[in-house]
Amino acid sequence: EPEVTQTPSHQVTQMGQEVILRCVPISNHLYFYWYRQILGQKVEFLVSFYNNEISEKSEIFDDQFSVERPDGSNFTLKIRSTKLEDSAMYFCASSARGDGGTQYFGPGTRLLVL
Amino acid sequence: AQSVTQPDIHITVSEGASLELRCNYSYGATPYLFWYVQSPGQGLQLLLKYFSGDTLVQGIKGFEAEFKRSQSSFNLRKPSVHWSDAAEYFCAVRYSGGGADGLTFGKGTHLIIQP
Repeated sequence: EPEVTQTPSHQVTQMGQEVILRCVPISNHLYFYWYRQILGQKVEFLVSFYNNEISEKSEIFDDQFSVERPDGSNFTLKIRSTKLEDSAMYFCASSARGDGGTQYFGPGTRLLVL
Repeated sequence: AQSVTQPDIHITVSEGASLELRCNYSYGATPYLFWYVQSPGQGLQLLLKYFSGDTLVQGIKGFEAEFKRSQSSFNLRKPSVHWSDAAEYFCAVRYSGGGADGLTFGKGTHLIIQP
């Protein structure tokens, strides 16, 4: 069964450093998403991406964040200058056209900013 | 703004007993509703979804959920829980069936199974 994959599974970085989180969505999916989950809190939507551009973004997704689909398979989230409060689990998801927008999630990347 | 309420932060159930996890969503004409499960250290696995039609939907692992528009609810049920059901359960909603709209999640319910 196809699934969303994410790398790395864990990342530790110093405050102020740039990080890139990588995702490989399900191959025939067209819509891609990033969510984050701060420890003990709910899952929050960050951004969605379709047809090589951002479709929707939340207020969390400020100028320090960016997304990119650099090739036909990868989908990345870049945090330009990490802050302590960026420490969270980051989930990538993808969905197909139709199917009520059902989103399938990857296993997540746990980011720790020191 | 869209919102989802899961009023129970923790629920403890004995193995073999029945389970109901509550979920209420903010009013919307056509909610698309989902339940996801998150085992410790794992990602979010889709349990079931409701878009339209029969208000009782079946999912994986023996779970079912019932959509009640009058109560703005989409409660998750299982007739007999197993120890492996111990996990965090999230209800989520979106209000369009297409496009790239994000999901709005509830805060989750942590399910504990007693032997």
